[in-house]
Amino acid sequence: QARLVESGGDVVQPGKSLRLSCVGSGFTFSESGLHWVRQTPGKGLEWLAVISNDGNSRDYRDSVKGRFTISRDNLKNTLYLQMTNLRPDDTAMYFCAKDPARYNYGHLPLWGQGTLVTVSS
Amino acid sequence: EIVMTQSPDTLSLSPGERASLSCRASQNVNRNVAWYQQRPGQAPRLLIHHASNRATGVPARFSGGGSGTEFTLTIASLQSEDFAVYYCQQFHNWPPWTFGQGTKVEIK
Repeated sequence: QARLVESGGDVVQPGKSLRLSCVGSGFTFSESGLHWVRQTPGKGLEWLAVISNDGNSRDYRDSVKGRFTISRDNLKNTLYLQMTNLRPDDTAMYFCAKDPARYNYGHLPLWGQGTLVTVSS
Repeated sequence: EIVMTQSPDTLSLSPGERASLSCRASQNVNRNVAWYQQRPGQAPRLLIHHASNRATGVPARFSGGGSGTEFTLTIASLQSEDFAVYYCQQFHNWPPWTFGQGTKVEIK
C-alpha cells in the first residue's frame, strides 16, 4: 500500500531553520513528482513546492522562494523541505504529496499525515 | 494567481440527503479541477480529478461536474463518513496550484 510519512516538525524561533522529511513506500519513489503543501486555519491549503522524479526540476510559490528548498534522495526514498529564516506565518501543518506524473501534473492522489511546524519566540 | 472560491462555507444536511457543493475559478481553468475530502485530524483525500473523474476507490455517490470557471461536487446520498470538509483545487495555471477555502458538510 502506497504511503508517505512526514517528520521533522518542531517548535522553532523566528529566523531559525528547520528541515522536514517525507519517506515514501509502496510505490516506485524514483518515478514520481512530489510536492509540499501546508495548511493553516487562516489561509487554508497552500501549495508550496514541487520537484521532479529525478530532482532536476523544481518550482515554488513566490512567498517561499529563496527561503525554502525542496530536494530528494531517491536512494533513501526521501523527500526534504529545508526551511530557513522562518517567520510566525510559516506556522502550519506541512504535508508531502505525490503527483501522478514524473513532475507536475497537478492533482495529488496520495498525501502523508502531516508534520506540525510552529514558529514562535 | 487563480483564486478558487467555494460556496457555501457550511452545508447542514441530514444523512441520506443530497449535497451540492460549488467552486468558482477566477479565470478559465478548463476541466483542470480536483476535489478533496478532509476529515478531522486527517490529510486531504483525492476524490475527483479533471472535474469529473473519480479517483481510485471513491464511491459512486461522489460525482463532479463543470468546466471553465464553474464546478460542482455532488454527494448523492450522504453517509455518516461523508461529514467532512471538502476542497477544490485548480491545476491549470501554475505556479502556484491553488485551493478553495473549503466547504464544511455538517450533520443537521
